[in-house]
Amino acid sequence: GENVEQHPSTLSVQEGDSAVIKCTYSDSASNYFPWYKQELGKRPQLIIDIRSNVGEKKDQRIAVTLNKTAKHFSLHITETQPEDSAVYFCAASTSGSQGNLIFGKGTKLSVKP
Amino acid sequence: EPEVTQTPSHQVTQMGQEVILRCVPISNHLYFYWYRQILGQKVEFLVSFYNNEISEKSEIFDDQFSVERPDGSNFTLKIRSTKLEDSAMYFCASGSFLGTEAFFGQGTRLTVV
Repeated sequence: GENVEQHPSTLSVQEGDSAVIKCTYSDSASNYFPWYKQELGKRPQLIIDIRSNVGEKKDQRIAVTLNKTAKHFSLHITETQPEDSAVYFCAASTSGSQGNLIFGKGTKLSVKP
Repeated sequence: EPEVTQTPSHQVTQMGQEVILRCVPISNHLYFYWYRQILGQKVEFLVSFYNNEISEKSEIFDDQFSVERPDGSNFTLKIRSTKLEDSAMYFCASGSFLGTEAFFGQGTRLTVV
């Protein structure tokens, strides 16, 4: 089955700097890659997603890149703000698996003012 | 904005007791999921449900677990004889299409004592 590895487990940046979180996946059939932000005690919330037919997607300060050949994808947050502090999870899914998501272990991002 | 709702928000139960966690998915969604998150760990897939049957389940989802859609709106997770290690946050999620965004409920924190 699918396995998703995520790095780093913790990341601390200064406000205004960029943050990059990387994930690798094992199942070449995976075709949907969402990123979730989870604040303490709250539900995971989708912040951006990408499909395997796209190499890059951007939404304001957030971007995701996908390298299908290498089976890795990354989240880029520019101009970080203190409210970006949270745990970020990457996930992978194959439509053949009925859409269930396999999550990475998460990255705790701390943005220092 | 429609959202997935879960009840109760927190449940405390004694080891060996049965618990039922309830979820109301977003009304026009067809795919339903249960995930769990042990404190401080990643979100783990339990089961997916479509067309009134389980479409996929993980190794975690053993004979102690069952899911049901008793009516047109509710989606339940039953744990027959709870163990201490079942203590976790349980998230219900729903999606409209295969391999698309899963919307998470706010979770039920289950504490087994």
